[in-house]
This record gives sequence, structure tokens and C-alpha cells, in this order.
Amino acid sequence: NAGVTQTPKFQVLKTGQSMTLQCAQDMNHEYMSWYRQDPGMGLRLIHYSVGAGITDQGEVPNGYNVSRSTTEDFPLRLLSAAPSQTSVYFCASSYFRDAEAFFGQGTRLTVV
Amino acid sequence: AQSVAQPEDQVNVAEGNPLTVKCTYSVSGNPYLFWYVQYPNRGLQFLLKYITGDNLVKGSYGFEAEFNKSQTSFHLKKPSALVSDSALYFCAVTLSKFYFGSGTKLNVKP
Repeated sequence: NAGVTQTPKFQVLKTGQSMTLQCAQDMNHEYMSWYRQDPGMGLRLIHYSVGAGITDQGEVPNGYNVSRSTTEDFPLRLLSAAPSQTSVYFCASSYFRDAEAFFGQGTRLTVV
Repeated sequence: AQSVAQPEDQVNVAEGNPLTVKCTYSVSGNPYLFWYVQYPNRGLQFLLKYITGDNLVKGSYGFEAEFNKSQTSFHLKKPSALVSDSALYFCAVTLSKFYFGSGTKLNVKP
């Protein structure tokens, strides 16, 4: 059982560069979401999706884009990286919004 | 504004003693309430959740949580702590979106 797979595990970007964080789940979950984790701030919701073709903004969406073309995949795009986006990013999935969420192992991103 | 508060950054407890990790919330309506645990360099793992019904919810690894509507609290408890319980614990609530607390580091000393 792969569960939720995030790639890459680590990434260093220069300011202004773009990149995509990948997230895939094999549990046929409808609900997927992206969070960032910063010290002392817990997890903050960036974007979420309730199913293929449907996405919405979370608490801190600025600077990030998402798409959901399939049930399995939910990539997160940084359009022009900024040092403020240095964080650990987690993808999660669940059968529906209020169900138990399964988290990936995270991507540690540093923007210099 | 919706919010979740975990007032203690760190909780220290001796192995074998009971533990409590506190959580209060400020969310309109009747939210679902969750506890998750995070071990170093890992993603979060689900422990338990409250939807409705009995105010005492039992979860994984011997943890339980007590819901108190009047105090808008959802404290995590365990009768006898283990060294292996040492981790970062997050409280979360959901109504239309998920809101997480800032986390509490639990240290269980032998």
C-alpha cells in the first residue's frame, strides 16, 4: 500500500524559480489537500480539492496554484518562488472532507 | 474568525503517569474535532475524531479525548504514558475547511 506519495522529499530553489510538488494517492480518495507547516504555526491549508476538476482556496493560497485532472494526482505549483515559501509541505487525502486524512511524508522546500 | 489553540508548546511527563494535551477551539457551528500525531520527519497520523455522541472518544495507541462543548475544548488524554508516545501532537477542527492548532510537543521521560 503506497498511500500518499509526495515527491521530491527535499528541494532548494532560487528566488523567482518555479516548480511543481507532486502528490499521488492510490486509495481512490475524493478529497485532497495541501498544507504548509511552519514552526509555531501548525499546518495551514493552501488549496484543496473535493474531486477531479474541482479545486478551491484554503487559508494561504497566494503564490500557489493547483489542478486536479485525475482522482489520483494533485500537484502544487509554485509560480515564482519567494523566501517566504520556505517551509515543509504536506499533501493529504481522505474519502471526504471530514474523514480521517492520510498524509504524505512531506517535502522540505528551501528558497534562497 | 475560526481558530484552534493549543496553549502548551511542550508537555513533559514521566513514563507511566497520565498525560493531557490541551486544545480549545473557536469555530462557529458544530465542527468535527480531530487529533493527529507527527513523529520526526514523518507526515501526520490520525489518532481519533469526535463527530457527535459520547463526549469521550477512544482512539489509537490507547489515546482518548474528552469533548466539552461549554468550554469548547477537546483535550487529548492517556492514562499511562509511554516513552514511545513522545511526538508532536496536533488538534484540528473542520467545518468548511480544516484548521490546525500550532502543535504540542510531548516529551515522555523514562
